[in-house]
Amino acid sequence: AQSVTQPDIHITVSEGASLELRCNYSYGATPYLFWYVQSPGQGLQLLLKYFSGDTLVQGIKGFEAEFKRSQSSFNLRKPSVHWSDAAEYFCAVASGDSSYKLIFGSGTRLLVRP
Amino acid sequence: EADIYQTPRYLVIGTGKKITLECSQTMGHDKMYWYQQDPGMELHLIHYSYGVNSTEKGDLSSESTVSRIRTEHFPLTLESARPSHTSQYLCASSVSYGYTFGSGTRLTVV
Repeated sequence: AQSVTQPDIHITVSEGASLELRCNYSYGATPYLFWYVQSPGQGLQLLLKYFSGDTLVQGIKGFEAEFKRSQSSFNLRKPSVHWSDAAEYFCAVASGDSSYKLIFGSGTRLLVRP
Repeated sequence: EADIYQTPRYLVIGTGKKITLECSQTMGHDKMYWYQQDPGMELHLIHYSYGVNSTEKGDLSSESTVSRIRTEHFPLTLESARPSHTSQYLCASSVSYGYTFGSGTRLTVV
C-alpha cells in the first residue's frame, strides 16, 4: 500500500535562511506527489505537484520540490524563508486507483525565527 | 477566495447530540472528500464520493455518515456525538488530483 513519511515533526529556521522539508514515499509505480501548506485555522492549499517529466517542480510562494526516484523522496525547498511561511506542511501521494484519493504524511510544522 | 465552504467553523456540542457538518462547493467538481485531522496534524480520509448518489467509506473507520444528493453538497452527520469525535473535519473537492480544501470545522464534544 502507498504511504508517505515526513520524518521531521518540527523544523525551526531563521528568517532568510534556506529550507528543506523531507518526504519519503512508498509506491510501486511512478507516483503522483504533492505538497500542501496549512496555515493556522485554515484548510490546505496546494503548493506544487509532480506527475511526470522534469523532476524539479516549481510551485507557488517560491517553493520547489525535487523528485528522486532512487531515494523515493520528494523534498520541498525554499531558498529564503519568510516569517509568513510558518505553517504546517503536508506531503501526499495519490492512491493510483480510480478513486483519486490522496494519502497524506503526518506533516511538518515549520517555525520561523525573526 | 474560497470556492468550497464549510459551516460551522467552530462547534461545541454536548455528548449525545446529533450534528451535521456542511460542505458546499461551487466548482462543479464530481469528487468530494471528508478528512479528519487529529491534534497531531495527521489527516485521515473518512468518506469520499465520486458523484451524486455515490459515497464510500475511507481508510479510517468513522461513526459518521455522509450523503450526496446534489453535486455541490456533501454533508457529514454524526447521529450521537461523543468526546472521541472531537477533531477538525476538512472537506475537499476535485476533478482529478487537484484538491481544493475548505477551511474546516473544528468540533468539540463535551
